[in-house]
Amino acid sequence: EAGVAQSPRYKIIEKRQSVAFWCNPISGHATLYWYQQILGQGPKLLIQFQNNGVVDDSQLPKDRFSAERLKGVDSTLKIQPAKLEDSAVYLCASSLDLVNSEQFFGPGTRLTVL
Amino acid sequence: AQSVTQLGSHVSVSEGALVLLRCNYSSSVPPYLFWYVQYPNQGLQLLLKYTSAATLVKGINGFEAEFKKSETSFHLTKPSAHMRDAAEYFCAVKGGGYQKVTFGTGTKLQVIP
Repeated sequence: EAGVAQSPRYKIIEKRQSVAFWCNPISGHATLYWYQQILGQGPKLLIQFQNNGVVDDSQLPKDRFSAERLKGVDSTLKIQPAKLEDSAVYLCASSLDLVNSEQFFGPGTRLTVL
Repeated sequence: AQSVTQLGSHVSVSEGALVLLRCNYSSSVPPYLFWYVQYPNQGLQLLLKYTSAATLVKGINGFEAEFKKSETSFHLTKPSAHMRDAAEYFCAVKGGGYQKVTFGTGTKLQVIP
């Protein structure tokens, strides 16, 4: 079974530029998560989808971050415009459902904002 | 609000020695607790999870953790460290209305030959 796929793996941009990350979850997984992991810290949940609906986006900086999961499968996370403090690894994870199942993580996208 | 505290951002052990990584949690409801491992440039991999069944939980790669409600702890142990155990370990708690997972700040394990 294929795991969670993310692209690109690495991205370097200048501040005020825009960037987008893509995630393809494990087939059949209804719940999809985006996390931000700043160097030296644990992952912080940005947004959580159940199928194509948002369950929790309380920690998403909505003035610059957006995410969508239009068909309930793939998801994109966008930052516009980027700030220096957005430099981090962005992890996508998926699970069968919201409550009882394990989260499977992708390899992440390492973003460097110069 | 739920939270996780991991004591020690870096732990060094000799190969073959006991590994003990500490985790204390705070949760208003009976928690689900997890330990994840992260190797360099990779995503997180689940080591083990506590879901209110047995208090001693066995995971992959010889790791285990014991849930102690009275101490609000969920420490991770392995009797004998191996070089391949060098990685970063995260404790996490799951709960709340949206079953949100909150991670600790992580502990980097160094194994000295």
